[in-house]
Amino acid sequence: QVQLQESGPGLVKPSQTLSLTCTVSGGSISSGSYYWSWIRQPAGKGLEWIGRIHTSGSTNYNPSLKSRVTISTDTSKNQFSLRLSSVTDADMAVYYCARSVRPGGYDWFVDSWGQGTLVTVSS
Amino acid sequence: QSVLTQPPSVSGAPGQRVTISCTGSSSNIGAGYDVNWYQRLPGTAPKLLIYGNNNRPSGVPDRFSGSKSGTSASLAITGLQAEDEADYYCQSYDSSLSGWVFGGGTKLTVL
Repeated sequence: QVQLQESGPGLVKPSQTLSLTCTVSGGSISSGSYYWSWIRQPAGKGLEWIGRIHTSGSTNYNPSLKSRVTISTDTSKNQFSLRLSSVTDADMAVYYCARSVRPGGYDWFVDSWGQGTLVTVSS
Repeated sequence: QSVLTQPPSVSGAPGQRVTISCTGSSSNIGAGYDVNWYQRLPGTAPKLLIYGNNNRPSGVPDRFSGSKSGTSASLAITGLQAEDEADYYCQSYDSSLSGWVFGGGTKLTVL
């Protein structure tokens, strides 16, 4: 059973860069065919997909965030990371890391989630 | 505003049946992309409830079922139980955005 755990600063100043890491246990992020994703949820709002990185290294980002987002992997540590630059109040949210799979005949879906980490944007 | 539209809240008494709708457009649900549903119990991370429109992962009770028609999808819960009180989210892929889209979430209250 794969497990994911987010880590990183819970407080980021406006205009600075938010950096979070997701540590994966119970499976290798570099084997198989998976997408490793970041999803967030601002208080009182719905879930928002931020972006994803495939086992092969290819990435996809939410167009609304694309100019500020970078997702990367560190296979030596079995981790993947999120960097979101120039943060504002609108970036304050609970950030989840997640793994998605695509069984034969179906589209990708998330089968494992981290517990989530709250990021506050404040000076 | 979310790309997929869900009612903010639904409610039902124990034992009753409730449905949660998820309305999209021709670039996501209507384009034939699968709809997946997630349940988020209070204070916990979301959990996969339905994948591929109407498939339950192992461990999910058959009280939960999904369906899709045209540009909409629905989650039905029969024999409502107190532990079903949670937030429910639909999710699909959108070709115009080239990425995933979620519904705004529906809070289910068991009366």
